[in-house]
Parts: sequence; structure tokens; C-alpha cells
Amino acid sequence: QITLKESGPTLVKPTQTLTLTCTFSGFSLTTSAVGVGWIRQPPGKALEWLALNYWSDEKRYSPSLRNRLTITKDTTKNQVVLTMTNMDPVDTATYYCAHLRGTGNSPLVDFWGQGILVTVSS
Amino acid sequence: DIVMTQSPDSLAVSLGERATINCKSSPSLLYSSNNKNYLAWYQQKAGQPPKLLIYWASIRESGVPDRFSGSGSGTDFTLTISSLQAEDVAVYYCQQYYNTPLTFGGGTKVEIK
Repeated sequence: QITLKESGPTLVKPTQTLTLTCTFSGFSLTTSAVGVGWIRQPPGKALEWLALNYWSDEKRYSPSLRNRLTITKDTTKNQVVLTMTNMDPVDTATYYCAHLRGTGNSPLVDFWGQGILVTVSS
Repeated sequence: DIVMTQSPDSLAVSLGERATINCKSSPSLLYSSNNKNYLAWYQQKAGQPPKLLIYWASIRESGVPDRFSGSGSGTDFTLTISSLQAEDVAVYYCQQYYNTPLTFGGGTKVEIK
């Protein structure tokens, strides 16, 4: 059974760096054609994909946020970490981590964590 | 980026009636080398994360009731709920995985009339 859980601060100040951790079980990030990604959803709005990390350590980022995002994996801890720099109130959203199956440019998001609401406010 | 456009934004359907949601992509999501459409549908109930319903435009994920079906090819896709149940009240999203960045439609809210 695949499960994912997001953890991190729920309140950050503008200009600060956000660090979120996704801890997962039921799969290994050393298995071929598996990845973990991050997707966010501002309150009442649609979903926005942010980044992904494949088993091979290949990484992909949203072009619009590329210069603010870093994704890393720790296969020994079954964790994936997302950092986002220079946070702004418009970054207020629920941040989801998700299991991906597939490779290259075409991964399918098939399991989602419960999400963590991050508010950016001074 | 591939643009995904859903319609309508919301719809109200009587219990037991059909609900139809449309999704258009620009450009096409059909990959000619394998004849597959890289299109998925998700259901998001209030306060919950999205749940995968359909992938490859028409393949139901394991455990998804057969009242949910997906159709279409290329740039035009449809999610149909053949007989709406109370537990189907949710927002539905289409999403392309033809290419990164992965992109989602704006969502369609389905309610009971």
C-alpha cells in the first residue's frame, strides 16, 4: 500500500525559504520507472505541478519556478525534500507530494499525500 | 506548456442522471509512436487530495466504479459519469502527462441538482 505524508512549516514569512519533506512507504525510489513529485493548490484554485525526482535521480522542474525550487531524494530514509526560496504571499497553498509511475517527460501521478497547507504571511 | 481547458466550470445533475465533463488540450496529447493519449482524470472531494480515476484517456484505475468512463483522442476528451451518485460530488480535473511541465485543467465542480 503506497502512502505519502508531507511535513514542514505551516507558516512562513515573506522572503523566507520553505523546506517540505515527503516521507513515503509502500515503494522504493530505487525501483525503475518510479518517481516522487510535488504539486500545489492555492485555496479554491486549480492544481499546479512544481517538480519531480525519478528513481534515476533525474529531476524536472516547472519552468516558471525553476530558479526557486530544489528537489532532492534520500532513498535510505524514503524521503523527498522540496525547497522553495523567496516565499511570497501568492505561494500560499496546499502542497502535495505524489507517487509517479513512468519515465522521462511522461510520468503519471497515481497516488497523492494528504497535503500540507502553507501560509505565507508576515 | 500544454494548455488544458475544461468545460463547464460547474454543473448540477440529478441523482441517477448522466454528467459529462469536457477537456481540450493544445496541442494534441496523442503520441503517434504508441497511439496513446497522455491524458488523466482526477476526482477531488472537499478537503481531500485528488484521486486518479482514468489514465491513457480511457483506462479506469483499479477500484474505480464503472460508471466513470473516459473517451476522446488528440485534443478533445470527455469524462462521463453515467449515473450520478451522491458520493460523486467533487471537483474533477483533467491533466496531461505528454510532457513536462505537467499541466492541469481548471476543474469542473459537480453538484447534485
